[in-house]
Amino acid sequence: EVQLLESGGGLVQPGGSLRLSCAASGFTFSNYGMNWVRQAPGKGLEWVSGISGSGDNTYYADSVKGRLTISRDNANNTFYMQMNSLRAEDTAVYHCAKSSSGTYPKNFDYWGQGTLVTVSS
Amino acid sequence: SYDLTQPLSVSVALGQTARITCGGNNIGNKNVHWYQQKPGQAPVLVIYSDTNRPSGIPERFSGSNSGNTATLTISRVQAGDEGDYHCQVWDTTTVVFGGGTKLTVL
Repeated sequence: EVQLLESGGGLVQPGGSLRLSCAASGFTFSNYGMNWVRQAPGKGLEWVSGISGSGDNTYYADSVKGRLTISRDNANNTFYMQMNSLRAEDTAVYHCAKSSSGTYPKNFDYWGQGTLVTVSS
Repeated sequence: SYDLTQPLSVSVALGQTARITCGGNNIGNKNVHWYQQKPGQAPVLVIYSDTNRPSGIPERFSGSNSGNTATLTISRVQAGDEGDYHCQVWDTTTVVFGGGTKLTVL
């Protein structure tokens, strides 16, 4: 059974930093891309970033380029996102989502329950 | 940037057929994926690559895509189908989601 468990969310002041983690199990982790998709309160889904199975290729939404960095540790089946210079508009539930592809973020066949990031003073 | 347009809400009587649209420029040339999201839960993939159902998704869910519109069709709608539905495509180097449609079962 595929499981994705996010952690690392919380309350942070504007301009602050957070590191989100996603622990994966139930599939061959290095064969699949991984992504972060966020959902602000009462809003729709917004893809934030993605990384290929090998870790060689990364993809970012324009709204977060330069502020967020994703990485993965295939030895420990864990996926990360370092979030810097956080803004109020980054407030959202952040879901870890598995790609059905090993290369680009084609679509997302499994999702975690999410971790809440709140940016507020 | 590429935009996807969904109706904010769709209402359908129990047992009838619901159709949720996703509009985009020449979307028929792209692979469209659909997700169901119930309140407080993570999204679930219900249709991928226009017409395909993942394992475990009922046959009542189907999809089509042509021209400037992709459509998710839910036949014999049940109360448990209520929720938000999101369409999604991959465009060049980015993922795009539609704004989401709230399905209400009357």
